[in-house]
Amino acid sequence: DGGITQSPKYLFRKEGQNVTLSCEQNLNHDAMYWYRQDPGQGLRLIYYSQIVNDFQKGDIAEGYSVSREKKESFPLTVTSAQKNPTAFYLCASSSLGHNTEAFFGQGTRLTVV
Amino acid sequence: GQQVMQIPQYQHVQEGEDFTTYCNSSTTLSNIQWYKQRPGGHPVFLIQLVKSGEVKKQKRLTFQFGEAKKNSSLHITATQTTDVGTYFCAGRAGNQFYFGTGTSLTVIP
Repeated sequence: DGGITQSPKYLFRKEGQNVTLSCEQNLNHDAMYWYRQDPGQGLRLIYYSQIVNDFQKGDIAEGYSVSREKKESFPLTVTSAQKNPTAFYLCASSSLGHNTEAFFGQGTRLTVV
Repeated sequence: GQQVMQIPQYQHVQEGEDFTTYCNSSTTLSNIQWYKQRPGGHPVFLIQLVKSGEVKKQKRLTFQFGEAKKNSSLHITATQTTDVGTYFCAGRAGNQFYFGTGTSLTVIP
């Protein structure tokens, strides 16, 4: 059953702790993306990757880090430097090329207390 | 940088009324995609428009791409409660998706 999986669905962390969100896809997609969604602000790009061992900053990369050691996996770490980390995080993947669609994971709702 | 704006941000309609959301880009787009996100869910791809002036229909949904390829619209005829959700447009440039701010649709039974 092909798809893109994010885990966990809900995550609670104490302020000052780093936390890593998982994203795995078995669609053989080269490109993977992380978005942050806040009420009324749409989807804002954090990081994206088009190939293994390479990634680029999006519009709101500060306080986040990623890795792309395998084609299937693109974990996102929310560091303690992120000033307002509580949000809904969405991972997506797509084939390369501008006529391809994005497939989204179920999302992870992170709450920092 | 590339910006894609959508209006309105929120829309409440009575069931059976029509609904339209508009998407505007600051630059010319190679194509436009539309996604729907149900409450508590994740965005799901609906359709892609590529050609200038293109119009596509999916049952009660009509999608249009502007002649200049800088704007697009989604029109829903006779809304139903199943249409509830947030509708996003997304422009494509290279391998990036530039998502609009989204329009949240509430349908009142």
